[in-house]
Amino acid sequence: GAGVSQSPRYKVAKRGQDVALRCDPISGHVSLFWYQQALGQGPEFLTYFQNEAQLDKSGLPSDRFFAERPEGSVSTLKIQRTQQEDSAVYLCASSLGQAPEAFFGQGTRLTVV
Amino acid sequence: GDSVTQMEGPVTLSEEAFLTINCTYTATGYPSLFWYVQYPGEGLQLLLKATKADDKGSNKGFEATYRKETTSFHLEKGSVQVSDSAVYFCALSVLGDTGRRALTFGSGTRLQVQP
Repeated sequence: GAGVSQSPRYKVAKRGQDVALRCDPISGHVSLFWYQQALGQGPEFLTYFQNEAQLDKSGLPSDRFFAERPEGSVSTLKIQRTQQEDSAVYLCASSLGQAPEAFFGQGTRLTVV
Repeated sequence: GDSVTQMEGPVTLSEEAFLTINCTYTATGYPSLFWYVQYPGEGLQLLLKATKADDKGSNKGFEATYRKETTSFHLEKGSVQVSDSAVYFCALSVLGDTGRRALTFGSGTRLQVQP
């Protein structure tokens, strides 16, 4: 597609439930990023992929968060045993190699109840 | 570590007023600088960028100049429109050891333009 696509757009999860968020980057973009945006804040870095390799996961807040990009294209962010503090918008972005600018999807708003 | 500080909002202006949103940064390396905009109900969009000192980024009437000596990248527009109402994020990226260029964002400034 022409842009970064994320699904679902909205997700309501009961506390303790596992969730999976999908990102489909711009075709040909080797770099893929996940960010977490709390209400009223700027996005914060979670993890980075170059093709299928996860080169940096320093921003993942706990071992309940897991991301993968097995074929170097679509990526999935999984959150196990969701907690209320996981409620946020999860943004995916992609870029061409080491190009400085990144293109963002519309995000998935996760609400944990 | 890297950080971005931008002025708190909301900023409320009348149509055709002059806009300045201040942004300063600290970075461990030589950063590229960005302004992203988030219109209501939409995702983050790149507004403009500058990759080296004294570069001026511009788009849609908005401008920002990379000032290394003051570590600033203030956003300006000479005459705002109602359609400019949005949240504006200043951000930087530095090429890290792993080759990643993750963005570090400020907390955002909400701009409200009244007719």
